Amino acid sequence: GAGVSQSPRYKVAKRGQDVALRCDPISGHVSLFWYQQALGQGPEFLTYFQNEAQLDKSGLPSDRFFAERPEGSVSTLKIQRTQQEDSAVYLCASSPVQRESSEQFFGPGTRLTVL
Amino acid sequence: AQSVTQLDSHVSVSEGTPVLLRCNYSSSYSPSLFWYVQHPNKGLQLLLKYTSAATLVKGINGFEAEFKKSETSFHLTKPSAHMSDAAEYFCVVSGDSGGYQKVTFGTGTKLQVIP
Repeated sequence: GAGVSQSPRYKVAKRGQDVALRCDPISGHVSLFWYQQALGQGPEFLTYFQNEAQLDKSGLPSDRFFAERPEGSVSTLKIQRTQQEDSAVYLCASSPVQRESSEQFFGPGTRLTVL
Repeated sequence: AQSVTQLDSHVSVSEGTPVLLRCNYSSSYSPSLFWYVQHPNKGLQLLLKYTSAATLVKGINGFEAEFKKSETSFHLTKPSAHMSDAAEYFCVVSGDSGGYQKVTFGTGTKLQVIP
């Protein structure tokens, strides 16, 4: 069956450009998470959606980062005026229910390189 | 508040010998605990999870982990390493934070298997 998909898989941006990263979760999944994974590090939480509601954005590193999930399915993570420190793999994950025991299903990630 | 510590950033074992990847957690409530594996250029995959049922949890590919509340540990083990086990392993703690799932990843342990 279809898993979580992310696009683009690779993105190269010049410093100062805006980028938009897309996540298509598994159909029907309530919860959606975004993570940032720097080279050699574990995933760091960015933000969480329950359906269309963004319940936690405490991990967003600055106001240049913005995420949305307007219809409770596809989500977009937008980074404005990219900086070199934004270079990382951005992971999206979804889970079927909102429960602390729920497994997350991860997409392949988008590797962002800011030059 | 919750946190997770993976005590070894790198572990190297010979093929056919046991594997031990160590994880300690901190949580102000009874959390769920997970181990995920990330093969190079592949997405994160769930190995196993603990959700307050049996303390010894069996996962895929012969891995298992034991939840020890008194030691706040959730170490991952496998009796005999295979070459295909070479990957990065993440310990994850998940708890209920004001009605939604809060997830924290460890920094990862890279497992090397020597032929």
